[in-house]
Amino acid sequence: QQPVQSPQAVILREGEDAVINCSSSKALYSVHWYRQKHGEAPVFLMILLKGGEQKGHEKISASFNEKKQQSSLYLTASQLSYSGTYFCGTPSNTGNQFYFGTGTSLTVIP
Amino acid sequence: KAGVTQTPRYLIKTRGQQVTLSCSPISGHRSVSWYQQTPGQGLQFLFEYFSETQRNKGNFPGRFSGRQFSNSRSEMNVSTLELGDSALYLCASSGGFPTYEQYFGPGTRLTVT
Repeated sequence: QQPVQSPQAVILREGEDAVINCSSSKALYSVHWYRQKHGEAPVFLMILLKGGEQKGHEKISASFNEKKQQSSLYLTASQLSYSGTYFCGTPSNTGNQFYFGTGTSLTVIP
Repeated sequence: KAGVTQTPRYLIKTRGQQVTLSCSPISGHRSVSWYQQTPGQGLQFLFEYFSETQRNKGNFPGRFSGRQFSNSRSEMNVSTLELGDSALYLCASSGGFPTYEQYFGPGTRLTVT
């Protein structure tokens, strides 16, 4: 039930935009997004509930399409500080587990 | 507010031994979850404790267990260690509704030799 993320890795130049996708084979009730920098713990970015953005962070926003069982994370005008691995996460259908996605490594270069 | 703390930060154990990891959540948070992170499997959910009760459990063998104390501090125990248990073990605390966001500790790096 682990969500699948795409792309697996992306390299951007400062100022460029990126989209990270998260797809699930099961119904999604909420989607969380986290960023983990190398050697650090994951940091919560936002949660999306039933199609609406719950919270934004810097120039990062996200969408949630319940019908397609997908969520996308949008990073605009990327900064060097955006580098890291991005994970989506979602509770299981029964709510008794939490599944993180496969992860997307994002590298922003000058 | 102080963040989530985990001790120890690094551990080296031998196959067959057991290990106990500790996690202190953010003050006021009653939910503590544990995750195993490895390069091959990514972030995998171990279990969640809420008010001293295991509320949810992932797909890990019974060698992995945990508990939570009345002050919300949590411990995770792994018995009969195997080489494959080498991983970064992360705990996360959550305040629950409305955002359910999880705050992660720095993790404990366990190496089994």
